[in-house]
Amino acid sequence: GAGVSQSPSNKVTEKGKDVELRCDPISGHTALYWYRQSLGQGLEFLIYFQGNSAPDKSGLPSDRFSAERTGGSVSTLTIQRTQQEDSAVYLCASSLSGNQATQYFGPGTRLLVL
Amino acid sequence: KNEVEQSPQNLTAQEGEFITINCSYSVGISALHWLQQHPGGGIVSLFMLSSGKKKHGRLIATINIQEKHSSLHITASHPRDSAVYICAVRSGAGGTSYGKLTFGQGTILTVHP
Repeated sequence: GAGVSQSPSNKVTEKGKDVELRCDPISGHTALYWYRQSLGQGLEFLIYFQGNSAPDKSGLPSDRFSAERTGGSVSTLTIQRTQQEDSAVYLCASSLSGNQATQYFGPGTRLLVL
Repeated sequence: KNEVEQSPQNLTAQEGEFITINCSYSVGISALHWLQQHPGGGIVSLFMLSSGKKKHGRLIATINIQEKHSSLHITASHPRDSAVYICAVRSGAGGTSYGKLTFGQGTILTVHP
């Protein structure tokens, strides 16, 4: 079946603009995660969804970042008033459940803020 | 000190060599993942393990929970194994853990023909 998909694959934006990044998880996967990989940095956790609720938002770096998930499926990560330090690859992963389940990663969205 | 430390950071090998990448962690975990990331590519989960050893083809992953240490081995390495290998731990234990991963910095492996 289809894997995790993300769109757009690449996004170039100007500082101060808002961007929306989309993640389509594998059908039936209840858990969804957003991660970020900045240039020269390791991967870092942003937010976790179980169904439509987000029990852990602790990784969101500022209140400019928000995410939602609807219908237990698609998730959108929104970054308002983008800054240059937001430039990174944003990765989405999904799994059958939150615990003890393999996470399947999407290809990522490469965001460049000019 | 990072919660997850990998070594080495960079590794160069000749085709056919046996390769070991190490991962040490400092927190209690419910599972440990080994991930592979090719340049410009996505991330693929190679192994998820909470005890013992797993094998898939030429790849072997081991974990020692008491020592908080895991190793990823590649036998008969090939240039197509060139990638970044990332260790990630799922903190917590049992049913309270929901899968949030904490990542090591990654090991860049280059295998020359």
